[in-house]
Amino acid sequence: QVQLVESGGGVVQPGRSLRLSCAASGFSFSNHALHWVRQAPGKGLEWVAVISYDGTNKNYRDSLKDRFTISRDNSRNTLYLQMDSLRAEDTALYYCVTVPGGSSESYYPFDHWGQGTLVTVSS
Amino acid sequence: DIVMTQSPDSLAVSLGERATINCNSRQSVLYSVNNKNYLAWYQQKPGQSPKLLIYWASRRESGVPDRFSGSGTGTDFTLTISSLQAEDVAVYYCQQYYSTPPTFGGGTKVEIK
Repeated sequence: QVQLVESGGGVVQPGRSLRLSCAASGFSFSNHALHWVRQAPGKGLEWVAVISYDGTNKNYRDSLKDRFTISRDNSRNTLYLQMDSLRAEDTALYYCVTVPGGSSESYYPFDHWGQGTLVTVSS
Repeated sequence: DIVMTQSPDSLAVSLGERATINCNSRQSVLYSVNNKNYLAWYQQKPGQSPKLLIYWASRRESGVPDRFSGSGTGTDFTLTISSLQAEDVAVYYCQQYYSTPPTFGGGTKVEIK
């Protein structure tokens, strides 16, 4: 079955960087686009970024595109999110999510979610 | 961005009764070429990650009980739980995947009365 295991979260000071990872198994990783979605404590869901199946196309939430970078390593079945210049408002649980297709455009529902990794930005 | 608005914010329903959640998109998510509504519903139980319930506005994901149903087209959609069970206590989100960025409604919390 599909497994998505996020890691890399923790407590970080404002202005610092963090890299999240998502180790995937149970499906053909290199055929699927992947997303990051975040959820601030007690709040709703907010889409962060997407990467196409081969890593050539990426899209970001407008407010994050200058600070966050999504990438993937299909040889390691791993998705990444590099987060720079972190702010208090980036505090959230970050989910790795799969979709049934390979494009970085919307067009697919989010069919599998990891358990998330918590990022806390605080001094 | 397509704004998604859910109502109500919360509702309390007796066990075995019907629960109805509404979702409105500020612009249509119906793609005329294939006549599909790019609208999904997710369930998030306390302490868990979201789970896909419904996609294409009305198609149940594999393994989802048939008491869950989705309806609507264009800009107005509904998730119905026909007979609420204790395990259905959760927050429910609608989402459009018609255009990038994909956007979610604010969520509806369903509780037992």
